[in-house]
Amino acid sequence: KAGVTQTPRYLIKTRGQQVTLSCSPISGHRSVSWYQQTPGQGLQFLFEYFSETQRNKGNFPGRFSGRQFSNSRSEMNVSTLELGDSALYLCASSSTGVYGYTFGSGTRLTVV
Amino acid sequence: GQQLNQSPQSMFIQEGEDVSMNCTSSSIFNTWLWYKQDPGEGPVLLIALYKAGELTSNGRLTAQFGITRKDSFLNISASIPSDVGIYFCAGRAGAGSYQLTFGKGTKLSVIP
Repeated sequence: KAGVTQTPRYLIKTRGQQVTLSCSPISGHRSVSWYQQTPGQGLQFLFEYFSETQRNKGNFPGRFSGRQFSNSRSEMNVSTLELGDSALYLCASSSTGVYGYTFGSGTRLTVV
Repeated sequence: GQQLNQSPQSMFIQEGEDVSMNCTSSSIFNTWLWYKQDPGEGPVLLIALYKAGELTSNGRLTAQFGITRKDSFLNISASIPSDVGIYFCAGRAGAGSYQLTFGKGTKLSVIP
């Protein structure tokens, strides 16, 4: 059974640009959630989607957005990048969002 | 917002020793999860706990869901070099919540 796939693995962007990250969940999983990991703040919840609907949203500015497609794949977008957005962005999938969150390897975003 | 206090922050132990780490919260969680993260990778689920008082083992790992639902601990017995990594606790609040709140992590170093 394939795991959670995140692409790309590494990304370097310039301040002010925007970026889109992709996550393909485990087959059959309909819940996808996104987390930002930084050395200072640790792992922080961004948002969760289930069947194309956002159910929960964390305390991040509106520059952070996401969506989920009918095949459960999800994307997150960050607009007007800031240096502080440099982080490891992790995606987790679950069948329902209640049990068994499985994480991908993450996308390492560096903003210069 | 909800916070998890995880301790200790770091540990240096001799190979073969037992390890214990814990997480406490000021609010109740309905699910406790323990993850291990290796450098450059996403967290890997070790143990999931869904019921207050539950004690669950996974090989040399044992975790318990506190009776008050505000704490959890993880024990590793007879540590080996591959146990090195960062261990995170995570909690899910309950009905209507599909986000995980993470502790700051315990960095484990094993001296052969």
